[in-house]
Amino acid sequence: GESVGLHLPTLSVQEGDNSIINCAYSNSASDYFIWYKQESGKGPQFIIDIRSNMDKRQGQRVTVLLNKTVKHLSLQIAATQPGDSAVYFCAEKATGNQFYFGTGTSLTVIP
Amino acid sequence: DSGVTQTPKHLITATGQRVTLRCSPRSGDLSVYWYQQSLDQGLQFLIQYYNGEERAKGNILERFSAQQFPDLHSELNLSSLELGDSALYFCASSDRLAGGPNEQFFGPGTRLTVL
Repeated sequence: GESVGLHLPTLSVQEGDNSIINCAYSNSASDYFIWYKQESGKGPQFIIDIRSNMDKRQGQRVTVLLNKTVKHLSLQIAATQPGDSAVYFCAEKATGNQFYFGTGTSLTVIP
Repeated sequence: DSGVTQTPKHLITATGQRVTLRCSPRSGDLSVYWYQQSLDQGLQFLIQYYNGEERAKGNILERFSAQQFPDLHSELNLSSLELGDSALYFCASSDRLAGGPNEQFFGPGTRLTVL
């Protein structure tokens, strides 16, 4: 089956520092990836996506990097704020519009 | 606030029982999706309804069923509950017939605990 995993289950960063959250995927045919933010007691919220024909995509304070060679995806959050504390997980689109979701990394921002 | 509402927020029940989870999509959205999220697994797509009709099926057990009503709200029925059914159940809605989860808006979820 598909495997979407995260390198670290928890991450703590100081407020103002940059955060990097990683995700590994196993299907080299996956052509689309999404990052979600899930705050406690809330549903997943779309952050940013990237297609496999791109290496990098930037949003507001967030950047997603895709390394297809090693099947690795990362989410970079600049100037991390307390409101960024949440679980972040990635999703990959495999063949037939099937999406597979990772289990998540819990990010804690220390004021 | 995504505009998607789910009730109840929490549900505690015993093995063998049956429960119904309810979802109201965003105003104007015709598609409703159901997902299961357990601690050791990521989100798992269960089923999609569009304007009252079942459109796609994922990893939904035979003990589970869903429907979408004329007013577009949806219910997920879970029966013969087992301990392993304990999870967060999310509903998402979209204005599209087909599309990815990037186009879906998620509700706050129902936390089901089976004792």
